[in-house]
Amino acid sequence: LAKTTQPISMDSYEGQEVNITCSHNNIATNDYITWYQQFPSQGPRFIIQGYKTKVTNEVASLFIPADRKSSTLSLPRVSLSDTAVYYCLVGESWGSSNTGKLIFGQGTTLQVKP
Amino acid sequence: EPEVTQTPSHQVTQMGQEVILRCVPISNHLYFYWYRQILGQKVEFLVSFYNNEISEKSEIFDDQFSVERPDGSNFTLKIRSTKLEDSAMYFCASCWRQGAVQPQHFGDGTRLSIL
Repeated sequence: LAKTTQPISMDSYEGQEVNITCSHNNIATNDYITWYQQFPSQGPRFIIQGYKTKVTNEVASLFIPADRKSSTLSLPRVSLSDTAVYYCLVGESWGSSNTGKLIFGQGTTLQVKP
Repeated sequence: EPEVTQTPSHQVTQMGQEVILRCVPISNHLYFYWYRQILGQKVEFLVSFYNNEISEKSEIFDDQFSVERPDGSNFTLKIRSTKLEDSAMYFCASCWRQGAVQPQHFGDGTRLSIL
């Protein structure tokens, strides 16, 4: 599984756009990039996943450059309720040898201030 | 939206006692996982389970741990003789297909406190 590196913490203010970048230099051809969000005393929650270029859903956008060695999670106009830990994970797509376990790093603690 | 549910939300147990943590995965899911998170630390993989058997386990998942899917709906984690260092949040997760393409759905965890 590819190792990921992301900032330990970030601060932002309500209404701002937040971009969290994750580095994954050793990403393999079959790897997808997945982001999870975790609020205090709750389990991680899937936010978004992508393989290349750009993916957007109702919560966030994910930008992946052509070399796929990094990715950026973009949260538009954050609110106080977006204060959470954000995890970047890189793993293989469907395959018989993959048990699907997730390997979490320390994540990025985002603090949104009023 | 279907959810993974875990009970109890908080379990306090004396060291050396057995504890069973319960999870009800999403009904059409086939792959099940347990993770733990010690306070202030990262989420750690414990075990994956498919087709009524363990498919992978971590070094943490030693002989004191066991998992079971007794009735087709519940998924349990048992710790036979708890230690102080077992104090953590334990999360159950499930997905209908394994692999990174299929996001795992997590419960809100059981906080296990060992006294």
